Amino acid sequence: GAGVSQSPRYKVAKRGQDVALRCDPISGHVSLFWYQQALGQGPEFLTYFQNEAQLDKSGLPSDRFFAERPEGSVSTLKIQRTQQEDSAVYLCASSLGPYSYEQYFGPGTRLTVT
Amino acid sequence: GDSVTQMEGPVTLSEEAFLTINCTYTATGYPSLFWYVQYPGEGLQLLLKATKADDKGSNKGFEATYRKETTSFHLEKGSVQVSDSAVYFCALSPNAGGTSYGKLTFGQGTILTVHP
Repeated sequence: GAGVSQSPRYKVAKRGQDVALRCDPISGHVSLFWYQQALGQGPEFLTYFQNEAQLDKSGLPSDRFFAERPEGSVSTLKIQRTQQEDSAVYLCASSLGPYSYEQYFGPGTRLTVT
Repeated sequence: GDSVTQMEGPVTLSEEAFLTINCTYTATGYPSLFWYVQYPGEGLQLLLKATKADDKGSNKGFEATYRKETTSFHLEKGSVQVSDSAVYFCALSPNAGGTSYGKLTFGQGTILTVHP
């Protein structure tokens, strides 16, 4: 079946613009994670959804970052007033459930803020 | 907090050479340990995992053993191929309980290049 998809794959934004990044998880997957991967680094956790509930947003770096999953499937990560330090690859992963289930990653969205 | 430290790369090997990529971790409790691989142009894929001490994960000729006494999970392969060229990430995830929901903590990644 289809894997996790993300769109757009690439996004260039001018500093100060708002962006929205979309994640389509594997159908039926309860858990959805967002990670941020800076160049040359490993991914870092941003936020976690279980169905439509955002249960952990401890990794969001500032109040400019906002995520939602209103119907428990597609998720959107929104960044307001983008800054250069927001440039990174944003990864979405989904799994059947929390903890011991394997996380399946999407290809990521590469955000470049100029 | 939890952390993962990988050996610095890049690592360059000839085909059929032996591979070791070191990984050590710091965590409370007894996490699950993972190796993920990212091939050029592709997303992160789970390579292997181990969920408790002394477990050995294996896949595609790669192996790693969960060593609680040394808090390590080193990745090994006896004979690498050109197609193994990729970035390898060690990661950990708390097991059930608490409020982490299984989020992954990654190392910084090790670039492996295998030459014919």
